Amino acid sequence: DGGITQSPKYLFRKEGQNVTLSCEQNLNHDAMYWYRQDPGQGLRLIYYSQIVNDFQKGDIAEGYSVSREKKESFPLTVTSAQKNPTAFYLCASTYGRGNQPQHFGDGTRLSIL
Amino acid sequence: AQSVTQPDIHITVSEGASLELRCNYSYGATPYLFWYVQSPGQGLQLLLKYFSGDTLVQGIKGFEAEFKRSQSSFNLRKPSVHWSDAAEYFCAVGVNDYKLSFGAGTTVTVRA
Repeated sequence: DGGITQSPKYLFRKEGQNVTLSCEQNLNHDAMYWYRQDPGQGLRLIYYSQIVNDFQKGDIAEGYSVSREKKESFPLTVTSAQKNPTAFYLCASTYGRGNQPQHFGDGTRLSIL
Repeated sequence: AQSVTQPDIHITVSEGASLELRCNYSYGATPYLFWYVQSPGQGLQLLLKYFSGDTLVQGIKGFEAEFKRSQSSFNLRKPSVHWSDAAEYFCAVGVNDYKLSFGAGTTVTVRA
């Protein structure tokens, strides 16, 4: 079955450490997204990518970085510059513009040790 | 830019009772509208979507939503809830770009 795979499901980070969250999709979708979810705040867009080798900042990009070297993969790095990284991170993908629903992975929960 | 408001943070409903979740959006034209459901620790699952045409949209799991242009609303309804409907529900708005704006979500608790 086609879908979006996020790994790991749980991740722990030490202070000052960068960590990378994986997101892989086999839906042949062009666009991919990273969201951060905190209680009571819904989903906030971190970065998105419409095509390979191109990506744009979302609303809360500071302290995060991404790459899009392959259509299937859109990894997110949470850098040490992100001072409050504890959150639930969701990856999504879609065929294209706003009239297409986004499909979501099962998320990665990041915690600080 | 578009925005989405879900006025109810938490709703408690008895099993078998009806459910209505409110969603209001702010956008100059008719946006693309979506409802998603999220179980604890999981990703979001699409319940239904509205692009154009019939303003009453049917979705999965027995849910429906009605688009009302005059009220800028897209409320979600279910005639009879099941215990498995306990979850968090998100309304989302898309326009002619690649991004969606999500509401803050409504948590639904189902009591026996």
